[in-house]
Amino acid sequence: GNSVTQMEGPVTLSEEAFLTINCTYTATGYPSLFWYVQYPGEGLQLLLKATKADDKGSNKGFEATYRKETTSFHLEKGSVQVSDSAVYFCALVGPGANNLFFGTGTRLTVIP
Amino acid sequence: EAGVTQFPSHSVIEKGQTVTLRCDPISGHDNLYWYRRVMGKEIKFLLHFVKESKQDESGMPNNRFLAERTGGTYSTLKVQPAELEDSGVYFCASSHSKTQYFGPGTRLLVL
Repeated sequence: GNSVTQMEGPVTLSEEAFLTINCTYTATGYPSLFWYVQYPGEGLQLLLKATKADDKGSNKGFEATYRKETTSFHLEKGSVQVSDSAVYFCALVGPGANNLFFGTGTRLTVIP
Repeated sequence: EAGVTQFPSHSVIEKGQTVTLRCDPISGHDNLYWYRRVMGKEIKFLLHFVKESKQDESGMPNNRFLAERTGGTYSTLKVQPAELEDSGVYFCASSHSKTQYFGPGTRLLVL
């Protein structure tokens, strides 16, 4: 079946530090992969996505590359800001399917 | 363009009571989804509408949950009677393709 395993949090970083949040998945075939972000007091927002192997999704300085060989979609940012403090969710949609499978979420706190 | 909206934002009820959550999708989106996050666990799929029809309701936990989407516009999710384990955040999402856009969620607390 489909599942997503996400790095356990919480993660606390200083401003301008490098961020990696690991995400690996299990799926049949080639799923579409997503990172969603939930800022304090807000709903889930799509951060970036990739729909096929070797695609790189990017947005707001965040990047993630769809790695079929390692079944991974790790989220990275070179220099985090306080405003990046949020909960990050890795998710997938299986081929031919519609519903999202989510990881457990990783809470990131960036301190000045 | 207005995003997905959900009402209420919070609801506190007692065990055994009934609660109805509402979701208004983005205009023109035929696909509407309900998800739930219980106590810091992963967000789990509940069901999927295409217009007014239930495409997939495999994630509905039991028959205390009833979802409707009359006319293919807004949707309601009713929990009757509510149990303690129903507490969590209920998210609605809509889409016209693979990318789903989420509402802010309804935080439900059953006491």
